[in-house]
Amino acid sequence: EDKVVQSPLSLVVHEGDTVTLNCSYEVTNFRSLLWYKQEKKAPTFLFMLTSSGIEKKSGRLSSILDKKELFSILNITATQTGDSAIYLCAPLSSNTGKLIFGQGTTLQVKP
Amino acid sequence: DAGVTQSPTHLIKTRGQHVTLRCSPISGHKSVSWYQQVLGQGPQFIFQYYEKEERGRGNFPDRFSARQFPNYSSELNVNALLLGDSALYLCASSTPGQGPNEQFFGPGTRLTVL
Repeated sequence: EDKVVQSPLSLVVHEGDTVTLNCSYEVTNFRSLLWYKQEKKAPTFLFMLTSSGIEKKSGRLSSILDKKELFSILNITATQTGDSAIYLCAPLSSNTGKLIFGQGTTLQVKP
Repeated sequence: DAGVTQSPTHLIKTRGQHVTLRCSPISGHKSVSWYQQVLGQGPQFIFQYYEKEERGRGNFPDRFSARQFPNYSSELNVNALLLGDSALYLCASSTPGQGPNEQFFGPGTRLTVL
């Protein structure tokens, strides 16, 4: 059975801190892994990772995939209160095109 | 450019009723996926449609059905509503092809079953 585990489940930091969010997965017919940020409603796309070892970067956010060890990390540097959200990791299965979501990591950034 | 749109935004129904949720994908996207997100959990895959054909189905009962129209918009139908169907229903659009592809989500429909 497909499985995605994110850790930690929740995290409270202060502005300026750096955080690392973890995602481990066991998914058949793995194709890629996507990260989303969810605030009030719809998840917002952050990154799609397909190849191992290639870091994707967008401003203060970066992410990397390890297909051998079956995990991914999302780093956020110099956190801001606007980074407060739930971060979702979702491997994509090539058979059905479905995203398999983890439970998410709830990040709270305090001023 | 318009993103994924969903209607209605909120919906309140009673047990046993039927509901239809609607989704319009991003222009040029031919695939629509439906997800259910209950409070405190990540979204769970319900269906994916591509070119009007069902491409994938999650572990949901037959009370859940969907279809995709020639203009690539989609409907999700849920019959005989149960209290446990209360959730945020998300639609995502993508352009499946040879390589991996991103899925972009709409704002969701919040369904409350009383």
